Amino acid sequence: AQSVTQLGSHVSVSEGALVLLRCNYSSSVPPYLFWYVQYPNQGLQLLLKYTSAATLVKGINGFEAEFKKSETSFHLTKPSAHMSDAAEYFCAVSGDNTDKLIFGTGTRLQVFP
Amino acid sequence: DTAVSQTPKYLVTQMGNDKSIKCEQNLGHDTMYWYKQDSKKFLKIMFSYNNKELIINETVPNRFSPKSPDKAHLNLHINSLELGDSAVYFCASSLGQSNQPQHFGDGTRLSIL
Repeated sequence: AQSVTQLGSHVSVSEGALVLLRCNYSSSVPPYLFWYVQYPNQGLQLLLKYTSAATLVKGINGFEAEFKKSETSFHLTKPSAHMSDAAEYFCAVSGDNTDKLIFGTGTRLQVFP
Repeated sequence: DTAVSQTPKYLVTQMGNDKSIKCEQNLGHDTMYWYKQDSKKFLKIMFSYNNKELIINETVPNRFSPKSPDKAHLNLHINSLELGDSAVYFCASSLGQSNQPQHFGDGTRLSIL
């Protein structure tokens, strides 16, 4: 069975500061990993995905994530936070003979001026 | 052009009623999904269909009945609504492979009075 753990249900940063959102996964097969963002009253939008190519994945809006097999992690980072980055972020895993996405519990990012 | 569209966006109704949510995708995808997001933002898959065939049914009460008239549409009918059904329901679509991202609609917020 696959699972995802997102450490920290809330993360607050100042505008211009580094954003780090943590995601650890558990999978008995090589995983496919995704980060999605959800703005208020909207659906989920794909930020980036890891599908066993490059371990450092670049996404939209300046976000990137690094797949570390030894740490079973796929943390999301952005060098400099913008006010518009305030949203809910979800890490998800798939790949266990199914296209079913298993989501983490989400991390709410707040950005202060 | 909206890729995955759901209607209605908001649905307020009383316990015991029957209601339907419609979903359409214009991405040419073969697979469509329904997810439930609870008040704590936790996302869980309910169903998936591939080319009108039910693939995933995640122990959802049989009051919930998905219907796929064609591969571009996946509707969700709910009988005898209960208070616990209050949630945001998201439709999604993909190419149906575990390394492919899913594209989400904006959600339907269902409130049971």
